[in-house]
Amino acid sequence: DTEVTQTPKHLVMGMTNKKSLKCEQHMGHRAMYWYKQKAKKPPELMFVYSYEKLSINESVPSRFSPECPNSSLLNLHLHALQPEDSALYLCASSQVGDDEQFFGPGTRLTVL
Amino acid sequence: GQNIDQPTEMTATEGAIVQINCTYQTSGFNGLFWYQQHAGEAPTFLSYNVLDGLEEKGRFSSFLSRSKGYSYLLLKELQMKDSASYLCAVRRTGGFKTIFGAGTRLFVKA
Repeated sequence: DTEVTQTPKHLVMGMTNKKSLKCEQHMGHRAMYWYKQKAKKPPELMFVYSYEKLSINESVPSRFSPECPNSSLLNLHLHALQPEDSALYLCASSQVGDDEQFFGPGTRLTVL
Repeated sequence: GQNIDQPTEMTATEGAIVQINCTYQTSGFNGLFWYQQHAGEAPTFLSYNVLDGLEEKGRFSSFLSRSKGYSYLLLKELQMKDSASYLCAVRRTGGFKTIFGAGTRLFVKA
């Protein structure tokens, strides 16, 4: 299995909602990443987990809360988002110290 | 800090060869990646260079010069399906941080 899966594929939420994005991989990768990508822009790193511990937080607002419950799963909890948070949210995984990141298909988030 | 520059758009003809350049400035360089991204889809890995020189993989080749802070991606025998954005990304030492360039949108015409 060389795939990173993300659910849901699309999400529309209001500014008062609480929702979660999910990411899963079964490649044995111990590094997992969340990126945010706006239209026609490159992916921007948000968080990195290494061995299920948060190793990088790129000064992301607290309305985004990551969680890594085990080595295969990565969640991103969303609360009180703003319309400008609308974007494609990409999950990726890699071996620790390895070269290639495998990206999931992304969740397209719209905040109304 | 870090800075990655690549052309915004390029157009090439089916069957031709195209070279997409990338220049970077970063502290603690630990490798350069090229990813392909079709509109609305996730990036997919194309190549990785950490030492100077040319890496060839089928129709795609990638070159790196660390002293010049320069890389290029060479696409041969262009096909219509190669129309996509090509992202240059630099990895820094000491962690997992990979910084992406803004991407080059390649249009392949018949």
